[in-house]
Amino acid sequence: QITLKESGPTLVKPKQALALTCTFSGFSLSTSGVGVVWIRQPPGKALEWLASIHWNDDNHYSPSLKSRIAITKDTSENQVVLTLTNMAPVDTATYYCAHRIVGYGMAVWGQGTTVTVSS
Amino acid sequence: DIQMTQSPSTLSASGQDRVTITCRASQSISSWLAWYQQKPGKAPKLLISKASSLEIGVPSRFSGSGSGTEFTLTISSLQPEDFATYYCQQYNSYPWTFGQGTKVEIK
Repeated sequence: QITLKESGPTLVKPKQALALTCTFSGFSLSTSGVGVVWIRQPPGKALEWLASIHWNDDNHYSPSLKSRIAITKDTSENQVVLTLTNMAPVDTATYYCAHRIVGYGMAVWGQGTTVTVSS
Repeated sequence: DIQMTQSPSTLSASGQDRVTITCRASQSISSWLAWYQQKPGKAPKLLISKASSLEIGVPSRFSGSGSGTEFTLTISSLQPEDFATYYCQQYNSYPWTFGQGTKVEIK
């Protein structure tokens, strides 16, 4: 059974950096075709794709965040870390990580973690 | 970026109604389209991949069709648990993009 869980701070101040960890089980990020994706959803708004990382270190980032965002994986610890620098109130959202297989949508999601950016 | 436009934004329907949601891409995405259902306070749930491939465990009243730039999600007979917001998402090319969502509400 595949599970994912997001963890990290719930409140960050403007201009601070955010680091969120996705801890997963039931799959390996060294298996061909496997990826982990980060998505966020501001309150009352639509889903927004942020970044993807795959088994072959093929990473992709949202162009609107490209100067601020990074995604890394620790295959031995079964974790993926999303870092977002220079946080602003518009970054307030629920952040999700999800599992996908190449060629398919995001089939298994974490429960999400809500991050508020406020001084 | 590929823009995904869903219509309608809100849909009022009754139980057992047949419901159709449309998703249009600003350029061809072949069949690299997914549909998700999201209920309040919950993570999205994948319903369909590759435009028409139903995920295991998803009821057969859900179906998807289309290719290129126009896609539809159909619920053949709306059930009480289907009242939710639905999103389409293209994964043909980066950056992946979602539609703005279609809220299916009780009439």
